[in-house]
Parts: sequence; C-alpha cells; structure tokens
Amino acid sequence: DVKVTQSSRYLVKRTGEKVFLECVQDMDHENMFWYRQDPGLGLRLIYFSYDVKMKEKGDIPEGYSVSREKKERFSLILESASTNQTSMYLCASTKRGKASTDTQYFGPGTRLTVL
Amino acid sequence: KQEVTQIPAALSVPEGENLVLNCSFTDSAIYNLQWFRQDPGKGLTSLLLIQSSQREQTSGRLNASLDKSSGRSTLYIAASQPGDSATYLCAVLRGTASKLTFGTGTRLQVTL
Repeated sequence: DVKVTQSSRYLVKRTGEKVFLECVQDMDHENMFWYRQDPGLGLRLIYFSYDVKMKEKGDIPEGYSVSREKKERFSLILESASTNQTSMYLCASTKRGKASTDTQYFGPGTRLTVL
Repeated sequence: KQEVTQIPAALSVPEGENLVLNCSFTDSAIYNLQWFRQDPGKGLTSLLLIQSSQREQTSGRLNASLDKSSGRSTLYIAASQPGDSATYLCAVLRGTASKLTFGTGTRLQVTL
C-alpha cells in the first residue's frame, strides 16, 4: 500500500514565524502536491513538484514556497506565517510524472493554527 | 476557469437506503473524474476514477457515472451503512494534467 505521511497532525504557530510542513511518501512516486482545505472553499492546490528540484505553482501559491531535495520528501514553507494561513494542509502523491492522470494518494493532513 | 459543484452539501439517510450524490463541472475538457471519501479530520481516500472516455466505474456497492458532454457525474451508493458516513468529494483532472479541481463535498450521515 502507498503510504503518505505528514510530520505533524496538529501545529500551533505565532504570526511571523517561519513554518515547515513535511511530507514523505514511500512508493517512489514522481509527483507530489500540497493543498489547503478550508470550509466552503474545498481543497485548493498550492504547489506541486513533478521531480526532484522541480516545482510548479498551483492556484494559490502566494505566501508559500516549497522544497524537494529528495524524491520521497516534499516540504511546504510558510516564510512568515499569518492568521489567514490557518487551515488544514494536505499532501498527496501520484506514481507518474508531470502529465500524470493517475489517482492521487493523500496523507492524513496537518491542522495548522496561526495565532 | 473550471468550477466543480456538489449538491447537496449534506445528506442524512436511514441505513439500507440507496442514494445518489451529484457532481457538476463547467469545463468538459477533463482527463478524468475522481471520487474521494474523507473521514472527519483525516486525509482523502480514493474511491473511483473514471477516465474521460468511460461512462462508469463500479467498486463493490459504489457506482460512479460520467457524462462529460453535460458536465455531470453521479456517485451511487447501494444499501447504505453507518460506516459510509463521511464527506464525499469529487474532483476533475484538468486539461493541463496532474492538477485536480475539487468540489466542496457532500457530507453524508447514515443513521441506524
């Protein structure tokens, strides 16, 4: 079974802090994704990566950056956390690369609260 | 811009009923449509994936249909059980592949 893990289930940070959210998948998947999920807005794509050191902006990249130094690990970085970044963050992966039509496998999510 | 709508937003049914969840999308240029399940506070689990060339997919008590020309999909759940209680999300894979656009989900409660 594909396993996608996220470093924290719950995280509380203060405004202005730099925040790192980590995601690891164990099935040698090419693509990895970061989403945020908010009530009434659904899941929205922040960034995705189709290979090591390769990234592409999603629909709402402002205020976020990402890093993919190893194939199995994809990090989401909030350079200076703000209260409007309080949300549930979900990581996902697919087996094949950039133009993949495969199903996405999701991690359990990180509930981030910025005070 | 692709928009995905799910109706109803919430649904409560007694155990044993058959039910239908609806999903509509505005742009028919999709590669596939996927249905996911999400339990409270958890991640998403893939249920069914329908390629754009297909009309339906079945898995156990679940059947999903796709009418690309009219921009609609339905998820049919037969003989519902309390364990089916969850939020069901549909998502379309856009013309620029790899990117999913999600609906806001239907929260289903199956009562005893």
